[in-house]
Amino acid sequence: EAQVTQNPRYLITVTGKKLTVTCSQNMNHEYMSWYRQDPGLGLRQIYYSMNVEVTDKGDVPEGYKVSRKEKRNFPLILESPSPNQTSLYFCASSSRSRGGLKLPDTDTQYFGPGTRLTVL
Amino acid sequence: KQEVTQIPAALSVPEGENLVLNCSFTDSAIYNLQWFRQDPGKGLTSLLLIQSSQREQTSGRLNASLDKSSGRSTLYIAASQPGDSATYLCAVKRNTPLVFGKGTRLSVIA
Repeated sequence: EAQVTQNPRYLITVTGKKLTVTCSQNMNHEYMSWYRQDPGLGLRQIYYSMNVEVTDKGDVPEGYKVSRKEKRNFPLILESPSPNQTSLYFCASSSRSRGGLKLPDTDTQYFGPGTRLTVL
Repeated sequence: KQEVTQIPAALSVPEGENLVLNCSFTDSAIYNLQWFRQDPGKGLTSLLLIQSSQREQTSGRLNASLDKSSGRSTLYIAASQPGDSATYLCAVKRNTPLVFGKGTRLSVIA
């Protein structure tokens, strides 16, 4: 089954304790990204990756790190979590058009089930 | 900076009604627009994606239209059912990041 998986689904931690949220997709997608969703603010992009070893900042990258060593995985790292990073996090992936050829599914974003993070 | 607005923020309708959800965006130079559904505590499910060169897309009881020049999109849901109750989000893409609206929370009453 084509899917994006995230782990853990729920996490409660304390300020300053490093954590990693994993994201994996099995659709051979080039493009992956991380979002956070907060009440009243909607979904905001944290980081994205166009392909292996290529990452860039989204709208709210402060306090986060990412890596893209393999095509299928895109972990989100919080080196020193703070309470303002309490949020619902989503990973997403999509394929990209190649040389102008757009397959029907190109650019459709597939989202993971979300990780609810609480930082005390 | 691109801004996406969805009106109304919440909507409650009786089962069987046809309804329209609205999405507007400030920068018409978009690559595509996508409609999502989000159930409480769950991830987002893509419903329809409209490329900038297209005017509409249909999937079952759903029809999405795009008027790029006026910065508007609508999602039409025919013969609504209680199972359609969810939050509906639209998102526009130019270059890389998606910009999301805050969503319309739909309740379909049996």
